[in-house]
Amino acid sequence: KAGVTQTPRYLIKTRGQQVTLSCSPISGHRSVSWYQQTPGQGLQFLFEYFSETQRNKGNFPGRFSGRQFSNSRSEMNVSTLELGDSALYLCASTLGLQETQYFGPGTRLLVL
Amino acid sequence: KNEVEQSPQNLTAQEGEFITINCSYSVGISALHWLQQHPGGGIVSLFMLSSGKKKHGRLIATINIQEKHSSLHITASHPRDSAVYICAVRGEYGNKLVFGAGTILRVKS
Repeated sequence: KAGVTQTPRYLIKTRGQQVTLSCSPISGHRSVSWYQQTPGQGLQFLFEYFSETQRNKGNFPGRFSGRQFSNSRSEMNVSTLELGDSALYLCASTLGLQETQYFGPGTRLLVL
Repeated sequence: KNEVEQSPQNLTAQEGEFITINCSYSVGISALHWLQQHPGGGIVSLFMLSSGKKKHGRLIATINIQEKHSSLHITASHPRDSAVYICAVRGEYGNKLVFGAGTILRVKS
């Protein structure tokens, strides 16, 4: 069974642009969570989706948004990029709620 | 004070040594996760605990719910165990994880 995939793996953007990151969960998994990892703040929770519904949202500004499609694939969007948005963005999928999370390889975003 | 505290922040060990990494948390949880992250970023879930003890190969994880404390032990450490080990707790609802800062482990041969 294929693992969690994330595209693109690397991305360079400039301030003010927007970006869309994609996450395909393990087949059959219905929950997708997104995390941001930076050297200064470590790992922080962004969003959690289950069956196309956002269940939880972290303490990030409204520039960060996401959605989940009927096939459980998920996207997150960051608008009006800032230098501080440079980070590794990870998604993780679970079969249901309250279960082991399987992480994707991450998308490394650099904002110049 | 962070909700999840890990110690030590850095740990260097000789191959074969017994290693312990500690995690304390201050909130009510439904489960605690131990994660491993190698250079390059990939994260692997090692354990998910809600009580007691779990063992997988040379790795052992324990949790004491009353004391809000968990430990990850590595027996007979090996250089390939070198990685960042991260403790994360999950609240009572949903899948949101709150992470510790991580412990950087280096095992020398």
